[in-house]
Formats: sequence, structure tokens, C-alpha cells
Amino acid sequence: EVQVVESGGGLVPPGGSLRLSCAGSGFIFSRYWMHWVRQAPGKGLVWVSRVSPDGSTTSYADSVKGRLTISRDNAKNTLDLQMNSLRADDTAVYYCTRHGDGDYFEFWGQGMLVTVSS
Amino acid sequence: QSALTQPASVSGSPGQSITISCTGTSGDIGIYNYVSWYQQHPGKVPKLIIYEVTNRPSGISNRFSGSKSGNTASLTISGLQAEDEADYYCTSFTTITTWVFGGGTRLTVL
Repeated sequence: EVQVVESGGGLVPPGGSLRLSCAGSGFIFSRYWMHWVRQAPGKGLVWVSRVSPDGSTTSYADSVKGRLTISRDNAKNTLDLQMNSLRADDTAVYYCTRHGDGDYFEFWGQGMLVTVSS
Repeated sequence: QSALTQPASVSGSPGQSITISCTGTSGDIGIYNYVSWYQQHPGKVPKLIIYEVTNRPSGISNRFSGSKSGNTASLTISGLQAEDEADYYCTSFTTITTWVFGGGTRLTVL
């Protein structure tokens, strides 16, 4: 069974840093693009970032470019999101998602709440 | 990276059909067949229901169908059922190698 499980969320003050992790299982992790998608409370889904299967290619939404960094460790089947210079509008549930065999978000984690507040 | 445009809400009675539109640009929906749709019930994780414009994943009812014309994609749900009441989101790949979601549509089954 394919599973992606996030960890590392919590409360952080404005300007602070936080690192989210996602563990993949039930599939060959190194073969798939992986993404982060977030959802602010009561709002819609927003794509955040993606990383290629080998980790060499990354893309970011304009709103997080330069502050959030996506990375992966295929030896450990883990995906990370390093979040720096956090702002109140970064408050959201962050979902780790696995790309499908085509271009879509096939499997989603349960989500991890990140709250940026003093 | 402007969000795709979806109606904020649609409604229909059980047994009826509804269509949710998703309008983008020539830089996303208009050029790629990488449109997918997601269903999200309150407090739940989004679920893939349509991928690559028209395809249904295994286990998704054939009451759900997708289409595209120009810069606009559409999701049609036929034979509405109470359990279809949820939020629906479209998304597309873009020419600047990012993904963009629609703002979401709340479906109410009357």
C-alpha cells in the first residue's frame, strides 16, 4: 500500500524556521516526482514546490521562492521542506504528495499543520 | 502564477447533473492536457477523481467525467448523490514548470 506520512509541523514565530519531512513507503520512492501542496485554514489548495526523482530539479511557487527549499533523500525514502523566514500567511496544512505515472497528484499524506504566530 | 478560475459554488438536486468549469490561460490549460480534478470532503484529504483531462483512476465512479475546450476544463457529475457534496479543485501544469490550482468550488446537493 502506498503511503506518504508527514512530520515536523507546529507553532513557529514570524521570521522563524521549521523543517517538514515526509516518509514514503509502498512504492519505489526514487522513481517519482514529489510535491508539497498547502491549504490555509478555510482556503483552497495551493501548489508549493516539486522535486524530480533524482533530486536535481526543483520548482517553487513565487510566494515561497527563496524562503522554502525542497529536497529528498532517496536512500531513506524521505522528502523534506526547509522553511525559513516564515510569515503569517505561510500558516497552512502542508500536504506531501506523490506524482502519478502521468502528471497528477496521485497520493496525499494526511497533512501537517504549520502555524506562524507570535 | 494566477490561480485557475472556478465558480465559488454550484448546486443541484439528487439525480441531476452539474458541471464545474475551470478557466486558465494559453500558458496552462490551453497548452497542456495535464488537467486533474480533486474532491475534498470537509476535514479530509483531497482525492484524485480525474487526471489528464478525461481519465478516471481505478475505483472512481463513471458518474464523474472531464473535458477540455481551449483554455477551459470542465468536470461533470451526473446522477448527483448526497455523498458528492464536497469541495472540488482543478489543477494544471504550466509553461513555467509550476502547477496551479483553481480556487475551489463548493458543491451543494439540495
